[in-house]
Amino acid sequence: AQTVTQSQPEMSVQEAETVTLSCTYDTSESDYYLFWYKQPPSRQMILVIRQEAYKQQNATENRFSVNFQKAAKSFSLKISDSQLGDAAMYFCAYAGTASKLTFGTGTRLQVTL
Amino acid sequence: EPEVTQTPSHQVTQMGQEVILRCVPISNHLYFYWYRQILGQKVEFLVSFYNNEISEKSEIFDDQFSVERPDGSNFTLKIRSTKLEDSAMYFCASSEPTGVNQPQHFGDGTRLSIL
Repeated sequence: AQTVTQSQPEMSVQEAETVTLSCTYDTSESDYYLFWYKQPPSRQMILVIRQEAYKQQNATENRFSVNFQKAAKSFSLKISDSQLGDAAMYFCAYAGTASKLTFGTGTRLQVTL
Repeated sequence: EPEVTQTPSHQVTQMGQEVILRCVPISNHLYFYWYRQILGQKVEFLVSFYNNEISEKSEIFDDQFSVERPDGSNFTLKIRSTKLEDSAMYFCASSEPTGVNQPQHFGDGTRLSIL
């Protein structure tokens, strides 16, 4: 079975600074997708960024980028120029041949002035 | 932008009662999912649904749970006899028909409180 591990329960970053959230996963599949979802206090799950495992190039989406290390099974999220609105719970998620998402336990990100 | 909508936003039910959680997926999506999140815990997969049948279900999705797509727009999750441990946030999600692992779009969730 696939597992997703987020080892940082909480992180804090100052506004305008950069922060990196860590995620590791375990799988025996060769073809899969990885996601970062954001869950603000409103509780909605919002897709931040998506990475296909067969792509070597790291995905980027405006201020959000990933560092995907397939051999190490690592998938970290970098948030540049952090904004107050980035404060939320961030979940790393895996989807393999079955389309269901397997989530990590989440990292709560605080953004300070 | 199209959204997944869930109703009600909050449901309070007595233990042992049946509850139906409703979802309207994005209109051209064909893959549907239910997840739950117990307070303070991670989001857990319950069931996936495609072509009018269950594609996969988790160990959580026992005989007390069922899903249905009664018409062309709604996707429901029924819990027949609720237990205290069913208290959680329930999220519906849908994705496009262009193959598996398209991004899943989530609704705002239904908070289910069992008394």
